[in-house]
Amino acid sequence: DIQMTQSPSSLSASMGDRVTISCRASQSISNYLNWYQHKPGRAPKLLIYAASTLHGGVPSRFSGSGSGTDFTLTISSLQPEDFATYYCQQSYSSPPYTFGQGTKLEIK
Amino acid sequence: QVQLQESGPGLVKPSETLSLTCTVSGGSISSDDYNWSWIRQRPGKGLEWIGYIFKSGSSYYNPSLKSRVIISGDTSKNQFSLKLSSVTAADTAVYYCAREGPGGSGTYDYWGQGTLVTVSS
Repeated sequence: DIQMTQSPSSLSASMGDRVTISCRASQSISNYLNWYQHKPGRAPKLLIYAASTLHGGVPSRFSGSGSGTDFTLTISSLQPEDFATYYCQQSYSSPPYTFGQGTKLEIK
Repeated sequence: QVQLQESGPGLVKPSETLSLTCTVSGGSISSDDYNWSWIRQRPGKGLEWIGYIFKSGSSYYNPSLKSRVIISGDTSKNQFSLKLSSVTAADTAVYYCAREGPGGSGTYDYWGQGTLVTVSS
């Protein structure tokens, strides 16, 4: 299986900050990379698919980039509702599609 | 708006079978070109894909769980279900149902909020 490694595992930031979360695949996955936001007790939400395409209704302060093995999720200006755990996930080739271990974004 | 909701026992005894159901609204498991999936998150671990069922009724499972998993669908109720047999404490997890985008995209665009299942005697 393809291994996905996120960094950092946790991050403290303030409202209005620009934050970046990294995700690395154990082999090239082209642009088959998705990002999700998850809040406790809530359904995870798809933010970005195909590495850089915003899912419908996702605010434009979220952006994604990268291809091959290295990917980045950027939040340009943190809002209160953005404090959550973020996961990357590869959808390359066939299942099982694997997830990163998550990055918990907390308020500083 | 597609919505998914998991239901089932929150406590299962070791060696028994875990059974969960996902009820889908706002979409049809029998006519839409999506895979309907189960994903879990064990305590302190990442998300793990369990398997999916397609509208035809065909299913596909994670090889690591394949020997113990059955995913089935009930089109009359617009539900799909997970059965995981011979459970141990290692199967304690929050279980999510999710829709995988059209054509087997590998992108999960709608999820349920998850249900915690604890395996304990």
